[in-house]
Amino acid sequence: GNSVTQMEGPVTLSEEAFLTINCTYTATGYPSLFWYVQYPGEGLQLLLKATKADDKGSNKGFEATYRKETTSFHLEKGSVQVSDSAVYFCALSDRQSNYQLIWGAGTKLIIKP
Amino acid sequence: GAGVSQSPSNKVTEKGKDVELRCDPISGHTALYWYRQSLGQGLEFLIYFQGNSAPDKSGLPSDRFSAERTGGSVSTLTIQRTQQEDSAVYLCASSLGGKGRDEAFFGQGTRLTVV
Repeated sequence: GNSVTQMEGPVTLSEEAFLTINCTYTATGYPSLFWYVQYPGEGLQLLLKATKADDKGSNKGFEATYRKETTSFHLEKGSVQVSDSAVYFCALSDRQSNYQLIWGAGTKLIIKP
Repeated sequence: GAGVSQSPSNKVTEKGKDVELRCDPISGHTALYWYRQSLGQGLEFLIYFQGNSAPDKSGLPSDRFSAERTGGSVSTLTIQRTQQEDSAVYLCASSLGGKGRDEAFFGQGTRLTVV
């Protein structure tokens, strides 16, 4: 079945550091890929998405590229801020699973000033 | 409405009691999903509605769990004879057409604690 694996946290970085959170997936079809973010005390919200191979999703300085050859969708940001501290979830959806979101375990990101 | 609304935001119940969790999706969204977020389990899918029908109930963990949706809008998740392992945050999401490319909008969740 479909699954998502993302790097375990917590990930602790200093402000202005470069961020990578790895995400790989297993899917039988052609899924859409998502990164969701959950800020402390808030609900899940979509950060970015990509719906086909080689698409790049971007938002708020974050980027992720849909790599079919490596089945990956790594999240990157060039210079993180304290306000980026949150839990980040990689997820996929496809027609075979009625477009339900299949989630990675989540990665807690802590940015220190 | 402006966003997905869930109620109550917090619920503490005694083991063995029944609970109802409510979700008001964004107006016009035909797809509605329930997920559960618990410590050590991450996020797990429970049930999916397209309109009022539930083509995928595969995530419901036991027959104590049921859900319905009326008028293509409000959904209620019912847990009967609650157990301590039911303690979790229950999340509802809606999307425009349930076609995967559509963004799923999440509510703030209902934190259920079974004591």
